[in-house]
Amino acid sequence: IAGITQAPTSQILAAGRRMTLRCTQDMRHNAMYWYRQDLGLGLRLIHYSNTAGTTGKGEVPDGYSVSRANTDDFPLTLASAVPSQTSVYFCASIPVGQAESPLHFGNGTRLTVT
Amino acid sequence: KQEVTQIPAALSVPEGENLVLNCSFTDSAIYNLQWFRQDPGKGLTSLLLIQSSQREQTSGRLNASLDKSSGRSTLYIAASQPGDSATYLCAGGTGANSKLTFGKGITLSVRP
Repeated sequence: IAGITQAPTSQILAAGRRMTLRCTQDMRHNAMYWYRQDLGLGLRLIHYSNTAGTTGKGEVPDGYSVSRANTDDFPLTLASAVPSQTSVYFCASIPVGQAESPLHFGNGTRLTVT
Repeated sequence: KQEVTQIPAALSVPEGENLVLNCSFTDSAIYNLQWFRQDPGKGLTSLLLIQSSQREQTSGRLNASLDKSSGRSTLYIAASQPGDSATYLCAGGTGANSKLTFGKGITLSVRP
């Protein structure tokens, strides 16, 4: 089934540790996004990539980095986790330039930083 | 910068009622407006997408409208069912490559 796979589904992480959240899509979508979802704050964009080889900063990029070596994969790295990064992280993708195509989401990674 | 607002944050209705969920946005140069459903502990699922040149879209018991001049979109749910209980989010962007801005969602509870 075509879609977005995120891993892990949940993780408890000690503060100061490094962590990479994985995201893979098999729809050959150009653009990919990382959002975090927090109670009362909604979904906020962390980083995005419009095509393989390019990335950009979203609304809340500090403490996070991304790479886009190929079309399918868009990992999100927390270099040194802090408790404020406790959140649910969603990866999403869309084919660029197609106004009729909705944003597709993965099932999320629930991250707790202690 | 596009800002998207959804009020109220929560809504409870009896089963069978027709209801309207509201979404407002600040930038009328909207590329498309999307409505999503999110069940607890799950990701977002796309319900309806309205392109900027369209006024409404329908899927089953759902109808979404878009009024760019007033900066509003509505999601109409006909004959609500307990299975419709979820959080409904709207999101808008202002270009083909733009990032969607999400509202904070409306948590709907349909009472049997």
